[in-house]
Amino acid sequence: DGGITQSPKYLFRKEGQNVTLSCEQNLNHDAMYWYRQDPGQGLRLIYYSQIVNDFQKGDIAEGYSVSREKKESFPLTVTSAQKNPTAFYLCASTQTPQGTQYFGPGTRLLVL
Amino acid sequence: AQSVTQLGSHVSVSEGALVLLRCNYSSSVPPYLFWYVQYPNQGLQLLLKYTSAATLVKGINGFEAEFKKSETSFHLTKPSAHMSDAAEYFCAATSGGTSYGKLTFGQGTILTVHP
Repeated sequence: DGGITQSPKYLFRKEGQNVTLSCEQNLNHDAMYWYRQDPGQGLRLIYYSQIVNDFQKGDIAEGYSVSREKKESFPLTVTSAQKNPTAFYLCASTQTPQGTQYFGPGTRLLVL
Repeated sequence: AQSVTQLGSHVSVSEGALVLLRCNYSSSVPPYLFWYVQYPNQGLQLLLKYTSAATLVKGINGFEAEFKKSETSFHLTKPSAHMSDAAEYFCAATSGGTSYGKLTFGQGTILTVHP
């Protein structure tokens, strides 16, 4: 089955620690996106990538970093500079600019 | 910049009653519009999308939405609510072009269905 997988489902971060969230898709989509979801705020765009080896900042990129070395993978690193990382993180992909974005199941990040 | 507003963070209906979730967008150029549904601790699932082909769009699970340019609205409706419709609903818009599919989301509306 084609789709988007995210791992882990839950992730715990200690103070000063960098953590990496995985996102993999087998839909052969060119574009991939990372969103952060907080209660009552909808989804906010962190980073997006249109093609391999290229990515752009979204609306709330500070404290995050990404890479796009393979078409099917778009990992997100939450760095120690992100002071309020507790949230639900969603990865999405799409084939065309106006096409439907398909979402993964999400990763919930909690701070110890 | 594009903005999307969902009127009402919580909507409560009885089973069998009409569901109406409101969404307004700000773009002067008609955007591509989407409604997504999210069940607790899950990703988003597409309900329907508007891409200028028809103003009344039918989606999954009996939902539909009507694009009204004069009102800059894209409200979601379902004639008869079912208990399984209880979830959070998000309206989203993209202007396409150089924004390359960047979606702007509304704040979400939590739908509660009472027996």
